[in-house]
Amino acid sequence: NAGVMQNPRHLVRRRGQEARLRCSPMKGHSHVYWYRQLPEEGLKFMVYLQKENIIDESGMPKERFSAEFPKEGPSILRIQQVVRGDSAAYFCASSPPGWTPNTEAFFGQGTRLTVV
Amino acid sequence: DAKTTQPTSMDCAEGRAANLPCNHSTISGNEYVYWYRQIHSQGPQYIIHGLKNNETNEMASLIITEDRKSSTLILPHATLRDTAVYYCIGSNTGNQFYFGTGTSLTVIP
Repeated sequence: NAGVMQNPRHLVRRRGQEARLRCSPMKGHSHVYWYRQLPEEGLKFMVYLQKENIIDESGMPKERFSAEFPKEGPSILRIQQVVRGDSAAYFCASSPPGWTPNTEAFFGQGTRLTVV
Repeated sequence: DAKTTQPTSMDCAEGRAANLPCNHSTISGNEYVYWYRQIHSQGPQYIIHGLKNNETNEMASLIITEDRKSSTLILPHATLRDTAVYYCIGSNTGNQFYFGTGTSLTVIP
């Protein structure tokens, strides 16, 4: 049973380009969470999605960032017109449907975005 | 989610128990205490969680004070592979966690 798969593992973009980060949840998981980790800091929650729905986007920057989790395929975190401050590790986590406090979140290995 | 306070760093001798404290004085009655760890910038790994009672699994034990204002994660026999950043999190709202800066544990040979 494959874990949470994120790709690419490393992504380099020039300022002004778009970055697309992909996350395939564990088999049977329908909940996806995106986190961002700036250098030397803890993870910050960005957005929580279920299939075709955004449930909580309270941590998403108001501009340039968007996320989707279509009925088919991976979840995508899209960053438009990237700036140097977007350089960070972006982690995706997934959990099965019907969250309870006993539900464990499984994290992927992250995508390290570098903006040059 | 409850804010938690953890020491910035700790050392532990290999083979000894590592006791990692966490203060969560503002935790509400229905918020669970979760512990995750992050080894060398990998994705966070779940360790254990609890509400009121002490909990134990194959990785660790969690001791929660009776007033629930603090807890301690215990790694009974620390190994070099336990060197990581350990995060204590209070939550009752799913997996939208506030991670904080955690405790950087170094296990010394």
